[in-house]
Amino acid sequence: DIQMTQSPSSLSASVGDRVTITCRASQSISSYLSWYQQKPGEAPNLLIYGASTLQSGVPSRFSGSGSGADVTLTISSLQPEDSATYYCQQSYSLPYTFGQGTKLEIK
Amino acid sequence: QVQLQQSGPGLVKPSQTLSLTCAISGDSVSSTGAAWNWIRQSPSRGLEWLGRTYYRSRWYNDYAVSVKSRIIINPDTSKNQFSLQLNSVTPEDTAVYYCARDFGGLKPWGQGTLVTVSS
Repeated sequence: DIQMTQSPSSLSASVGDRVTITCRASQSISSYLSWYQQKPGEAPNLLIYGASTLQSGVPSRFSGSGSGADVTLTISSLQPEDSATYYCQQSYSLPYTFGQGTKLEIK
Repeated sequence: QVQLQQSGPGLVKPSQTLSLTCAISGDSVSSTGAAWNWIRQSPSRGLEWLGRTYYRSRWYNDYAVSVKSRIIINPDTSKNQFSLQLNSVTPEDTAVYYCARDFGGLKPWGQGTLVTVSS
């Protein structure tokens, strides 16, 4: 199975900050990487797929980059509603695997 | 707009079978562009992909090795839904279970069902 490791596990940032979350795969996954946002009591919500393609309806302050084994999610200007846990997920090979999550808090 | 609606019991006894259904609206379970997945989430295991079913001229299934001996995912074309059966459950199967469509990323997801395995 491909292991997905996210960093950091948690972070606290202020409104307007630029935030970056990193996901490292145990092998190359090309661009077969998605990012999800999950708020308490809700299902995960797709933000980005194909490592860098923004899902329709997702604010443009979210962006994804990278390929191979290292990919990043960037929030260019943090908003209060971005408080959530973020997960990466590889779809390069079965079984699909997820990172352990990054909990983002707003200061 | 595609929507997934989950149904099924929230409490299952150890050694019995967990059964959940995911009803699809706005798409077809027989769609040749999508795959229909079950995923679970627990504090100990995080998000864990369990398996999927999809149609490409015929039906295919893929399952996670961790549950392969106990899981069945079935499409139901007459009701446009798909189901999860997980046999011989133990307390370690306690989790929130989600269905999700894979069509360039997992979206949408069902609302989630907390299934507790307890006597």
